[in-house]
Amino acid sequence: GQNIDQPTEMTATEGAIVQINCTYQTSGFNGLFWYQQHAGEAPTFLSYNVLDGLEEKGRFSSFLSRSKGYSYLLLKELQMKDSASYLCAVYNDYKLSFGAGTTVTVRA
Amino acid sequence: DAMVIQNPRYQVTQFGKPVTLSCSQTLNHNVMYWYQQKSSQAPKLLFHYYDKDFNNEADTPDNFQSRRPNTSFCFLDIRSPGLGDAAMYLCATWGGQGARNYGYTFGSGTRLTVV
Repeated sequence: GQNIDQPTEMTATEGAIVQINCTYQTSGFNGLFWYQQHAGEAPTFLSYNVLDGLEEKGRFSSFLSRSKGYSYLLLKELQMKDSASYLCAVYNDYKLSFGAGTTVTVRA
Repeated sequence: DAMVIQNPRYQVTQFGKPVTLSCSQTLNHNVMYWYQQKSSQAPKLLFHYYDKDFNNEADTPDNFQSRRPNTSFCFLDIRSPGLGDAAMYLCATWGGQGARNYGYTFGSGTRLTVV
């Protein structure tokens, strides 16, 4: 079975940093993705981790620890447009299994 | 240019009236997926095609069917929509090993309302 957990909501101030945690227990693992989803729209790709460690892409970074079944997405220098849902997804056997998403609200 | 196209963007159907959602892709990807996403919930995989091989998830209701007549097109048929089937339906493709760097390519989704 698949169990992917992430917090439901987070709020932060414009310019701040927010860290979204994701823990997973899955029957197989070949990588972990983070997606951003604005309300009423399709998810868009943010990052991919397959090895332990930190991947940095501009204002967004993602970390993976396979032994702990844990990942986080770090959003730096928050902007109003970053208000969205962030989905953690585990890849295995050609399929992505998603968490329910963390809604991030950025306040001025 | 959109590479995975879903039509229509919004669909209203009557309770019990069959409805078909369509998805097309210009990427020539061999794997296509249909996900159902209800408000504030995780996208839930309904089924996927690896080329012409159909793979149904164990908990996908029989009310949901799919067709893939060729590489470019995939359809989701809901035979007798109920109120609980109102959701966003997402089509996605996967491009093989190289896609590990960017994952799925999603369509814009079809929001289904059942009245």
